[in-house]
Amino acid sequence: SQTIHQWPATLVQPVGSPLSLECTVEGTSNPNLYWYRQAAGRGLQLLFYSVGIGQISSEVPQNLSASRPQDRQFILSSKKLLLSDSGFYLCAWSGGGLAGYEQYFGPGTRLTVT
Amino acid sequence: QKEVEQDPGPLSVPEGAIVSLNCTYSNSAFQYFMWYRQYSRKGPELLMYTYSSGNKEDGRFTAQVDKSSKYISLFIRDSQPSDSATYLCAFSDSNYQLIWGAGTKLIIKP
Repeated sequence: SQTIHQWPATLVQPVGSPLSLECTVEGTSNPNLYWYRQAAGRGLQLLFYSVGIGQISSEVPQNLSASRPQDRQFILSSKKLLLSDSGFYLCAWSGGGLAGYEQYFGPGTRLTVT
Repeated sequence: QKEVEQDPGPLSVPEGAIVSLNCTYSNSAFQYFMWYRQYSRKGPELLMYTYSSGNKEDGRFTAQVDKSSKYISLFIRDSQPSDSATYLCAFSDSNYQLIWGAGTKLIIKP
């Protein structure tokens, strides 16, 4: 069965510090991978998605970046965090093509920028 | 006009009641209609999906799609306290990207 891991679960970082969140998927190959951010009481905002190694599409211009160094690894980074980067970050995977509507989410990382 | 509209609630109902959750959308290109459930501090999980107008039933849950009115609903029968969660509607236009509603917080009172 497929499993998605995401860490850390909780993170408190000062403004201006760097960020690295990691997501790995087990039990599937060549998944579509997604990074979302969810503000308190809000819906999901798609930040990045990837359909293959080294292929990253950005949905929202910001100080965040994403990389996919391996087929089942997706990393979200920032060189300098802003207060507005606080939120609940979720990684998700799906099959390709029309199976993309069925997305499976990791447990999330709650980031507080102070 | 937003592409998807969903009342954020909270919606509070007594245990055993029938719950109705709704979303409206404006994009006629949407072909897949999903409901996700999200418990507090957890990632969302896919609850139901459909790609045609009409009803789809799964246990106590029924998803309803009305493409002509651009309206989808999720009904929960015999609601339980364990159904307390945020319910998000999501839409896809045959792309692998989903368009999400803001989510409705549901509270089932014992």
